[in-house]
Amino acid sequence: DAKTTQPPSMDCAEGRAANLPCNHSTISGNEYVYWYRQIHSQGPQYIIHGLKNNETNEMASLIITEDRKSSTLILPHATLRDTAVYYCIVRDANSGNTPLVFGKGTRLSVIA
Amino acid sequence: GAVVSQHPSRVICKSGTSVKIECRSLDFQATTMFWYRQFPKKSLMLMATSNEGSKATYEQGVEKDKFLINHASLTLSTLTVTSAHPEDSSFYICSARDQGAGEKLFFGSGTQLSVL
Repeated sequence: DAKTTQPPSMDCAEGRAANLPCNHSTISGNEYVYWYRQIHSQGPQYIIHGLKNNETNEMASLIITEDRKSSTLILPHATLRDTAVYYCIVRDANSGNTPLVFGKGTRLSVIA
Repeated sequence: GAVVSQHPSRVICKSGTSVKIECRSLDFQATTMFWYRQFPKKSLMLMATSNEGSKATYEQGVEKDKFLINHASLTLSTLTVTSAHPEDSSFYICSARDQGAGEKLFFGSGTQLSVL
């Protein structure tokens, strides 16, 4: 079972920041938070991951609360091509060759 | 990032025929690959774990004789849907981990199977 809770859908205006929340209240100390997204009819795409500290890369920023029970993925300037289902996944740091377990994700619609 | 190539992207077949889907890691070796299935507007469901040189591990409820998995090399895993029926119509996706890229998993582009 997925260990995360996300809103089923969100809308965002093009050019604005999209803030996608995720609750993971049962996360353990050695579990990372991963974000993937799936554009329609494609395979999931890795976005970003983090353990404790906030992270930023060319795609997005990840803000993790101090108690690590929730996090927010930020797309700073959403475009129409960011319309996708976004999945927040917790994964043990020593997962090795174990699969990702997907929840229902958040369907983000970026509107012109 | 690492590239996972999946082929074909779309296949239409008649009921009763078998369909093979290939998943290749293009620039890394993968001792383990994963196969998922996704129905419309649903999330990805893990079907099986493919292990190079050994038998695949199937999730509960997935028929191993119907979904044959072969992982004969470190860069190729295949999923064969045998005697396909309309209820097997789905989006099939493979995934692999590039050990050189830490714990990240990379995904193929998926195969849309339609069984008539």
